Amino acid sequence: SQQGEEDPQALSIQEGENATMNCSYKTSINNLQWYRQNSGRGLVHLILIRSNEREKHSGRLRVTLDTSKKSSSLLITASRAADTASYFCANKGGKLIFGQGTELSVKP
Amino acid sequence: ETGVTQSPTHLIKTRGQQVTLRCSSQSGHNTVSWYQQALGQGPQFIFQYYREEENGRGNFPPRFSGLQFPNYSSELNVNALELDDSALYLCASFRRPGEADTEAFFGQGTRLTVV
Repeated sequence: SQQGEEDPQALSIQEGENATMNCSYKTSINNLQWYRQNSGRGLVHLILIRSNEREKHSGRLRVTLDTSKKSSSLLITASRAADTASYFCANKGGKLIFGQGTELSVKP
Repeated sequence: ETGVTQSPTHLIKTRGQQVTLRCSSQSGHNTVSWYQQALGQGPQFIFQYYREEENGRGNFPPRFSGLQFPNYSSELNVNALELDDSALYLCASFRRPGEADTEAFFGQGTRLTVV
C-alpha cells in the first residue's frame, strides 16, 4: 500500500503560471520529501522538509508541511515547459513510501 | 545524473523465467533499496539492504529476492516471472538507513517486460 496520496493526479498549465500539488499521508513522519520523475526514468530528489519545519524554499520550489493535517504542498512558481514531469511525495521511516504522483504538463 | 547505475536498461523475458537486475550504488552509500513501478503508479518498496543484510521488506512474495555485495552493489532476483511483474524497477542508494535527512539517489531503472 502507498503512504502518500498526491492531488491532483494530473495538472495542465501554461508556461509562466504557478503549479501547486498536494500530498496527504497516513502515519507520522520524520521528514517528507518531494521527487520528480521525467517520463519512464529515475526519480530525482527535489526538496526535503523535516517534521519540525513548516515551510521551505529552494529556487522556484516552495514546500509547506502541516503535520496536524498530515499534508504537504509543493508550489512551483513561474513554471517552464521543462518542468513537465511526474511529481511524488515520499516519507522515510527507514524506507521511502511514495504516493501515486501528480503528472504536471506545462505548455509553452 | 546520480552515481547510481542499473543494468540492463531494458529486458524482455518469458513468463516462468528468472531474471537478475543489477545496481551499483553511489560512492559512500552503504544502503540500497529496490522499487517496482507499474505504469501510471508510484514506486512500490520491494526491500532494502544495509551492509549486506536485508533490513526491510515490502509486500512482495518470496520469489523476489536480493543480495548486497561487500562493495554495496546489489542484485534483485525475480523467479517464476508473471505478466504482472512487467514494470520499471528502480534502485536507490542512501548514505545510511533510517537517517532522517537522507535523500535517495536513484538509478535510471530497468524496464522489464514479461511476455
